[in-house]
Amino acid sequence: DTGVSQNPRHKITKRGQNVTFRCDPISEHNRLYWYRQTLGQGPEFLTYFQNEAQLEKSRLLSDRFSAERPKGSFSTLEIQRTEQGDSAMYLCASSPIRGYSYNEQFFGPGTRLTVL
Amino acid sequence: QQQVKQSPQSLIVQKGGISIINCAYENTAFDYFPWYQQFPGKGPALLIAIRPDVSEKKEGRFTISFNKSAKQFSLHIMDSQPGDSATYFCAAALTSGSRLTFGEGTQLTVNP
Repeated sequence: DTGVSQNPRHKITKRGQNVTFRCDPISEHNRLYWYRQTLGQGPEFLTYFQNEAQLEKSRLLSDRFSAERPKGSFSTLEIQRTEQGDSAMYLCASSPIRGYSYNEQFFGPGTRLTVL
Repeated sequence: QQQVKQSPQSLIVQKGGISIINCAYENTAFDYFPWYQQFPGKGPALLIAIRPDVSEKKEGRFTISFNKSAKQFSLHIMDSQPGDSATYFCAAALTSGSRLTFGEGTQLTVNP
C-alpha cells in the first residue's frame, strides 16, 4: 500500500502524559498536513509543512503541541501534558505540488487518542 | 469568515434515489472546494473538487453544483447505492494546497 500511513492507530494515555504520533506521507509528496477530528465534527487544521519547513500553524496548536518534519519525509506530532480535551482522531494528509494530483490532499487512517 | 456550514446533518435515501448535500461559505477568497467521503475508522477520501470558475463538475455519479453569487455549493449523488453510506464533508481552501476548512459533515444512509 502506498498511501499515507499513521502510527499508532490507537493510543490510550493518562492525563499529564506525553504522546507522539508518526505520519509517513505518500512518497515524493512535498506537503504534509495535520488535522484533528472530534466525534461528529469535520477535521480541523493544525499545521502543515512543505518539505521540512513548517509553513502554517493554527491557533488550535497550543504550546503543548509540537510538530516536526526533520528530513522532509515523515512527520511527528507530539502532545505534552495531555488533557482530556485532547481526545480526538489525529489525521495526517499529504499532497504533491506537481503532477496529476497537484495539491490534492490524501488522508491517512488517523491515530485515535484517548486521554483518561 | 473561515466557516463552512453544511446541511443536512443526516440524510436517509432509498437505493436508486438522489442524495443532495449543501454547503455555504462566507469567505469570498476561497478558491477551491473539495468534497470528501469518510467511512468509520478511515480517513477522509477525496471524491470530487471544483473551482469557482465553473458552475458544475461531474464525475460518474457525483456532481458538484457551484453558485458563486450565493456562496453555496452542493454535492449530488445520483443512483445512490448502499455502498455510498458514509459521512460526507464539504471543504474550502484559499487555494488548492492550503489548509482545508471543513463543514460539519453529513451522515448519509442509503437503504437497500
